[in-house]
Amino acid sequence: QSALTQPASVSGSPGQSITISCTGTSSDVGGYNYVSWYQQHPGKAPKLMIYEVSNRPSGVPDRFSGSKSGNTASLTISGLQAEDEADYYCSSYTSSSTLRVFGTGTKVTVL
Amino acid sequence: EVQLVESGGGLVQPGGSLRLSCAASGFTFSSYEMNWVRQAPGKGLEWVSYISSSGSTIYYADSVKGRFTISRDNAKNSLYLQMNSLRAEDTAVYYCARDSRVTANAFDIWGQGTMVTVSS
Repeated sequence: QSALTQPASVSGSPGQSITISCTGTSSDVGGYNYVSWYQQHPGKAPKLMIYEVSNRPSGVPDRFSGSKSGNTASLTISGLQAEDEADYYCSSYTSSSTLRVFGTGTKVTVL
Repeated sequence: EVQLVESGGGLVQPGGSLRLSCAASGFTFSSYEMNWVRQAPGKGLEWVSYISSSGSTIYYADSVKGRFTISRDNAKNSLYLQMNSLRAEDTAVYYCARDSRVTANAFDIWGQGTMVTVSS
């Protein structure tokens, strides 16, 4: 099972919107609505930001939103803030024997 | 407070073994599916293993299948990862992560991680 493909880096100015893509196959992202997104600050554990493609856990700002089209899921951060600077990872359920797969990760830089 | 605390990491020689533990508190551990996720230095997250709430269903990543064994003791609120035949590429921070009960494939609680270094 190969990792899902994400851009290595995305940047934006405060207040702007950015979108991170997560591309898989019909065996994972395209086949199930079990895509989740995680934020990880340096030296910290990951934090769940989105589950089931577009649902936010309690406490996650509504600036974070998720969507999916075909084999590609996306995370959009609107009204970018300095504290959003972090690494972001997508994850999907997969029909392969390995059950779960993460994306390659995207470093978000706030200019 | 809902919490996961990993322990057992350290320096081990190639071919050696190590057992990681994850102590859960603040929630009914026996009701939750659990996972191990690792992160090599400067690299991305890699899912390692899953165990169902009862321990009856287990999955592994291809990279660790046959070498690692996940287990749990619900009476002790603890998750374990027995790692054998360790390789340099197993060097990573190992996190235990709880599966959400609301949905599939959502790790809603993470531990702080424990570092495993495989080197001679």
